[in-house]
Amino acid sequence: QSALTQPRSVSGSPGQSVTISCAGTSGDIGAYTYLSWYQQHPGKVPKLMIYHVNKRPSGVPDRFSGSKSGNTASLTISGLQAEDEADYYCCSYAGSYTMLFGGGTTVTVL
Amino acid sequence: EVQLVESGGGLVQPGGSLRLSCAASGFTLSSYEMNWVRQAPGKGLECISYISSSSGTIYYADSVKGRFTISRDNAKDSLYLQMNSLRAEDTAIYYCARDNYKSLDVWGKGTMVTVSS
Repeated sequence: QSALTQPRSVSGSPGQSVTISCAGTSGDIGAYTYLSWYQQHPGKVPKLMIYHVNKRPSGVPDRFSGSKSGNTASLTISGLQAEDEADYYCCSYAGSYTMLFGGGTTVTVL
Repeated sequence: EVQLVESGGGLVQPGGSLRLSCAASGFTLSSYEMNWVRQAPGKGLECISYISSSSGTIYYADSVKGRFTISRDNAKDSLYLQMNSLRAEDTAIYYCARDNYKSLDVWGKGTMVTVSS
């Protein structure tokens, strides 16, 4: 399977909202609700931010929200803060024990 | 504290082998499915292997199939990745990650594998 498709970069000013899209197919995003998002700061370990499309693990600010429509998922960061500047990866279960990542999106806080 | 700690990375020549280990603590490894995820320098994440809690089901990405072998020893709270016939394109940080209903909720700090002559 091919990787999921994300924009290379998005940017926003502090306090604004940004949305990252993640495009897949009917065999991955469109077929399952096992859609997760990971944040990775430079040189750091990926961190789970959203799981099962729109659920937040304990400790993740409610500024982070997820959604899905058809074969496309989205991560929205509301009230953008400086510490949100990082790379974000979507990941979907694709059946047969396969998990596909997106190529990653760099969020820049202007 | 829930923790995963990888070890075994290093510099290896093309065609060589390495065995990575991942030690789990703070939770019962036998209750979870596990994955190995790698990240080449400056690149994105790639899930390369999966193993079910009982080792009954195993998956490999096409990029490593036939060369890598995942295994686990629940009695030792450990996960392994045997890597043979290594290539330059296998150079990456290798992370073990806990699979919690198809979300990777706990990650180790990773171990660097460099394949170069």
